[in-house]
Amino acid sequence: AQKVTQAQTEISVVEKEDVTLDCVYETRDTTYYLFWYKQPPSGELVFLIRRNSFDEQNEISGRYSWNFQKSTSSFNFTITASQVVDSAVYFCALKTDYGGSQGNLIFGKGTKLSVKP
Amino acid sequence: DSGVTQTPKHLITATGQRVTLRCSPRSGDLSVYWYQQSLDQGLQFLIQYYNGEERAKGNILERFSAQQFPDLHSELNLSSLELGDSALYFCASSPWTGEAANEKLFFGSGTQLSVL
Repeated sequence: AQKVTQAQTEISVVEKEDVTLDCVYETRDTTYYLFWYKQPPSGELVFLIRRNSFDEQNEISGRYSWNFQKSTSSFNFTITASQVVDSAVYFCALKTDYGGSQGNLIFGKGTKLSVKP
Repeated sequence: DSGVTQTPKHLITATGQRVTLRCSPRSGDLSVYWYQQSLDQGLQFLIQYYNGEERAKGNILERFSAQQFPDLHSELNLSSLELGDSALYFCASSPWTGEAANEKLFFGSGTQLSVL
């Protein structure tokens, strides 16, 4: 079965704190892709990052960083020095070609991050 | 702005009715996807079209149907609406890269459907 688990339903931090959003995935495929999307209060889904299963290098983009570990099937997302504008729901998602489901992004339930001033 | 346009932004209707949601993909994108976001089910994949043809199907009810037109815009038709169909419906598009699973999806702002 393919599944994405975001165990943290809600996180609240104070501005400038670092925060890590956890994502654990399950798949039997050896080739797969992992994504993070942000959904701000306005409602749209904004793409943040895509990572394929063969590339375990960590990635840093400004205040955002991602840690991909195949050994633990995790793809965690860290925001450094959080800001109020980071307040949003963050979704982790998995995509494979298994069973003809090419279009199927499997989303986790999301983690609602609230950054207070 | 993702470049994906969805109309209308909000839709309020009654049970038993039929509605049509419209999506215009990013310029040049051939693939269109529909997703449903509800409080209890989260974000769920409904259906995908590629260049006018159905390519993949997810948890889409028989009361729902979709199509992609020659100009690549897509419509999602929801009929015999029930209270439980109230949700945010997203359309997404992507270019064809040759690796289906690697496609990055660009999402529209969604249509909020309220069934009363």
